[in-house]
Amino acid sequence: DSGVTQTPKHLITATGQRVTLRCSPRSGDLSVYWYQQSLDQGLQFLIQYYNGEERAKGNILERFSAQQFPDLHSELNLSSLELGDSALYFCASSSFNRDQETQYFGPGTRLLVL
Amino acid sequence: DQQVKQNSPSLSVQEGRISILNCDYTNSMFDYFLWYKKYPAEGPTFLISISSIKDKNEDGRFTVFLNKSAKHLSLHIVPSQPGDSAVYFCAASSNTGNQFYFGTGTSLTVIP
Repeated sequence: DSGVTQTPKHLITATGQRVTLRCSPRSGDLSVYWYQQSLDQGLQFLIQYYNGEERAKGNILERFSAQQFPDLHSELNLSSLELGDSALYFCASSSFNRDQETQYFGPGTRLLVL
Repeated sequence: DQQVKQNSPSLSVQEGRISILNCDYTNSMFDYFLWYKKYPAEGPTFLISISSIKDKNEDGRFTVFLNKSAKHLSLHIVPSQPGDSAVYFCAASSNTGNQFYFGTGTSLTVIP
């Protein structure tokens, strides 16, 4: 158990809909990262938040948005869903050890868009 | 543009033998490299890391080697055990950026 929690575990929805994925980081971790893993793809970085502020943006579509709340949990909002958005969505929180950052991943949310 | 590449999608090894998983990167600014292990239906778990100031880091049965001139790193598992069967991702980051870049993963099967 990494200490990072994600809900829901599975989500099935239809094209055009909007969903919200939730992530709670490990206790004490200020950073939250979101990743998308499609079939046969590596982990694609979407966005990072640090202590409530957006810190870095990766290959995140305009239809997707995220935020980090004062209690440090984060939500990833996916709207106008398309079939190609079906994927595993992971969040990770990070900590530093001797100035090196290590990410700890949640179990993921499996999204299926029909 | 895939900055971190794992060119072998799968690898099968006999139990007790050595497993060698390879990873190549293109960005010379990367200075920190990690390996993650992923079981089905679970998130990736951190396995081992190496900083660019080193060329080798060892943790039990796992050793990571870094060849900066070749922009190549490898993970050695000795001896391999059936429980090591999983997908292994390598990842890289630089201290000038906030992103971690992941490879596409290598699925390791250790045959009893």
